[in-house]
Amino acid sequence: NAGVTQTPKFRVLKTGQSMTLLCAQDMNHEYMYWYRQDPGMGLRLIHYSVGEGTTAKGEVPDGYNVSRLKKQNFLLGLESAAPSQTSVYFCASSYRWAMNTEAFFGQGTRLTVV
Amino acid sequence: AQKITQTQPGMFVQEKEAVTLDCTYDTSDPSYGLFWYKQPSSGEMIFLIYQGSYDQQNATEGRYSLNFQKARKSANLVISASQLGDSAMYFCAMREGRGGSNYKLTFGKGTLLTVNP
Repeated sequence: NAGVTQTPKFRVLKTGQSMTLLCAQDMNHEYMYWYRQDPGMGLRLIHYSVGEGTTAKGEVPDGYNVSRLKKQNFLLGLESAAPSQTSVYFCASSYRWAMNTEAFFGQGTRLTVV
Repeated sequence: AQKITQTQPGMFVQEKEAVTLDCTYDTSDPSYGLFWYKQPSSGEMIFLIYQGSYDQQNATEGRYSLNFQKARKSANLVISASQLGDSAMYFCAMREGRGGSNYKLTFGKGTLLTVNP
């Protein structure tokens, strides 16, 4: 019963380096989301996807790119990491056609950019 | 304008007492859903309770209930008989209907609840 799995769990990057965070879900969910969590800011939506091959910008998309080539995977990329991107990143997924179903979250990725 | 407002950055409650965590929301969509999540210090996000905009009754799930006041656009979480394990960050969230294509799930900034023995 994996649910939503994020890799890696922890990462330290140097400024200017690039990396990709992987989110995988095994619940056949249409919607997938990437959030970042910063102290006092709650969870802010970076990008989301309503289905395979689709992506859309959320509240704070600058500096990030995403891809959803397969329904079960949603990748978040940082092309040139900046210290302001130090955060905890959460991936979530949910069914499309049921308003009352909750989003399921991964365990989070703690990213530090030095 | 913020979609979800949680005005209490921190709350304290004595064990076994009830506590209310406030949440107000802003939407012009007649169809929406409201969620509460718990985030303990270990970091995972745990779904607690859901309230739909068309639901006639307030949602309840065990010790959790949602005080839904549609006209005031508020969806407060009530935790009865608090336990030490309830100490956590609590987030209110909203999904708007958009004519059947609901997608974005927007969160508030959270309330840190501390339960004292």
